[in-house]
Amino acid sequence: AQKVTQAQTEISVVEKEDVTLDCVYETRDTTYYLFWYKQPPSGELVFLIRRNSFDEQNEISGRYSWNFQKSTSSFNFTITASQVVDSAVYFCALSDGGSEKLVFGKGTKLTVNP
Amino acid sequence: DGGITQSPKYLFRKEGQNVTLSCEQNLNHDAMYWYRQDPGQGLRLIYYSQIVNDFQKGDIAEGYSVSREKKESFPLTVTSAQKNPTAFYLCASSIYHNTGTPKNIQYFGAGTRLSVL
Repeated sequence: AQKVTQAQTEISVVEKEDVTLDCVYETRDTTYYLFWYKQPPSGELVFLIRRNSFDEQNEISGRYSWNFQKSTSSFNFTITASQVVDSAVYFCALSDGGSEKLVFGKGTKLTVNP
Repeated sequence: DGGITQSPKYLFRKEGQNVTLSCEQNLNHDAMYWYRQDPGQGLRLIYYSQIVNDFQKGDIAEGYSVSREKKESFPLTVTSAQKNPTAFYLCASSIYHNTGTPKNIQYFGAGTRLSVL
């Protein structure tokens, strides 16, 4: 069965701090996809990144970076020099190779204080 | 502007009443999804549809019903059989390929918050 665990329920940082959000997943498939979504207070989920299981290269997009490690079944998300606008709930999700369905973690609420 | 429109933003249900949440997309996406979000919880899949006139149950379909008569529309009815309907409901859509090509990104609407009176 698929499962996504986001052990950090809430994180609070001060602006300009770096913060890492953890995501650990379980799947028996060799082909799968991992996602991160951001949910600001408005409620709409915003897609951030998709990574397939064959691509272990880390990715950087501006202040955001993602570290995918198959050996530890983790797909962690780092925000560098956090800003107040980064305050949101962040969800990690998994889709296996045979399904369009996403399995979501419970989310990590990030609060960035000025 | 292309996107997914959910309405209404807030909805109140009386005891024993069925209510319908609207979801419309103009992205020309094949697949559409309904999720339920409870406080402190992740999203749980209610129903999904990969093509018109076809849909499948998700993990928590009991007490809900859907239809997919048009590609653009995927309304969700919360029936009186759903005893705990208070939640935030999110609709999503994605391009769907049934040939084993890489799974596609789901794009979400702004959600409907349903409460019980």
